[in-house]
Amino acid sequence: AQKVTQAQTEISVVEKEDVTLDCVYETRDTTYYLFWYKQPPSGELVFLIRRNSFDEQNEISGRYSWNFQKSTSSFNFTITASQVVDSAVYFCALSEAGRNKLVFGAGTILRVKS
Amino acid sequence: DSGVTQTPKHLITATGQRVTLRCSPRSGDLSVYWYQQSLDQGLQFLIQYYNGEERAKGNILERFSAQQFPDLHSELNLSSLELGDSALYFCASSVEGGAGTGELFFGEGSRLTVL
Repeated sequence: AQKVTQAQTEISVVEKEDVTLDCVYETRDTTYYLFWYKQPPSGELVFLIRRNSFDEQNEISGRYSWNFQKSTSSFNFTITASQVVDSAVYFCALSEAGRNKLVFGAGTILRVKS
Repeated sequence: DSGVTQTPKHLITATGQRVTLRCSPRSGDLSVYWYQQSLDQGLQFLIQYYNGEERAKGNILERFSAQQFPDLHSELNLSSLELGDSALYFCASSVEGGAGTGELFFGEGSRLTVL
């Protein structure tokens, strides 16, 4: 069965600090996709990244970076030099190839204080 | 702006009532997904339609139903509403039939409050 665990319920940091959001997943499939979404206070879900199970290269996009490690079934998300606008709920999600649903983790609330 | 439009944005109703939530997918997207976000259950997949046909079903209650029309818009019908149905209901769309092959574009959600 698919499962996504985000053990950190809430994280508070001060602006300019780096922060890492953890995501651990479970799946029996060898082909799957991992996602991160951001939900700002306004409520919409914003797509951040998709990674397939065959691509373990880390990715960097501006202040955001993602570390995918199949050996530990983890797909962690790091924000460098955090800003107040990064305050949001961040969701990690998983889908298996051929199955038509995203399984979301419980989300991590990130609060960035100025 | 994701290109997915959901109406209404907010809805307040009473227990026992019936409501309809509407979703217009992005232009060109054939798949529509419905998700429910509640405090106790988190984000749960309800149902998916692809080009008018039901493609996958998740944790959708029997009191809930959905359909996708020929113009590809979708409606989620919630009946005999209970307090526990209060939640944020998201619609998402994608081009392909499988969520694993492409990202989902989410609407802003419809917030339902049942009193």
